[in-house]
Amino acid sequence: GAVVSQHPSWVICKSGTSVKIECRSLDFQATTMFWYRQFPKQSLMLMATSNEGSKATYEQGVEKDKFLINHASLTLSTLTVTSAHPEDSSFYICSWTSGRCRQFFGPGTRLTVL
Amino acid sequence: SQQGEEDPQALSIQEGENATMNCSYKTSINNLQWYRQNSGRGLVHLILIRSNEREKHSGRLRVTLDTSKKSSSLLITASRAADTASYFCAAQGGSEKLVFGKGTKLTVNP
Repeated sequence: GAVVSQHPSWVICKSGTSVKIECRSLDFQATTMFWYRQFPKQSLMLMATSNEGSKATYEQGVEKDKFLINHASLTLSTLTVTSAHPEDSSFYICSWTSGRCRQFFGPGTRLTVL
Repeated sequence: SQQGEEDPQALSIQEGENATMNCSYKTSINNLQWYRQNSGRGLVHLILIRSNEREKHSGRLRVTLDTSKKSSSLLITASRAADTASYFCAAQGGSEKLVFGKGTKLTVNP
């Protein structure tokens, strides 16, 4: 399957700071990608759908001004958690779609906000 | 919530036994997918079953789909300790979005 990387794999930050998470598709190009978050012992919840070159579409309840998505190219997308607070502590996972029903997931980024 | 339900939430079995996990979903689907997640890691795609299929096999995995009941099951036969993980179903409708179930945490004891 396709290889997706995320950086950093884990980050600890102070409340009020901003954190940027990178998601790269290493061996294929795709127009569409997704950002999810997963709270402990829970399932993945879709945050937003991002298409290269256009604004992301956010799911209900996800603040677009707090979770900034920059889909810079067909292989790179970033999620910036602005003014992070402890309740933003979560596991953030990205995925890229091949356009044939399959999604390829990154290894995730664990964010802990103190 | 559009999330489906999975049962059981947790399942503990002995090596060699079979493990069955069930998933229900709420919307019409094009396909249903099963994923595996080891603790604190990303998701690994296991198998995809299309809405016009009723059963699919892949190695020790067997997936069934009943669209009339909006339900699916994943059977892992002859389980191994390495199968210990959380398993999620994900329903895909007309868009490329996936709606994940709540997951089943499987523990296979050596």
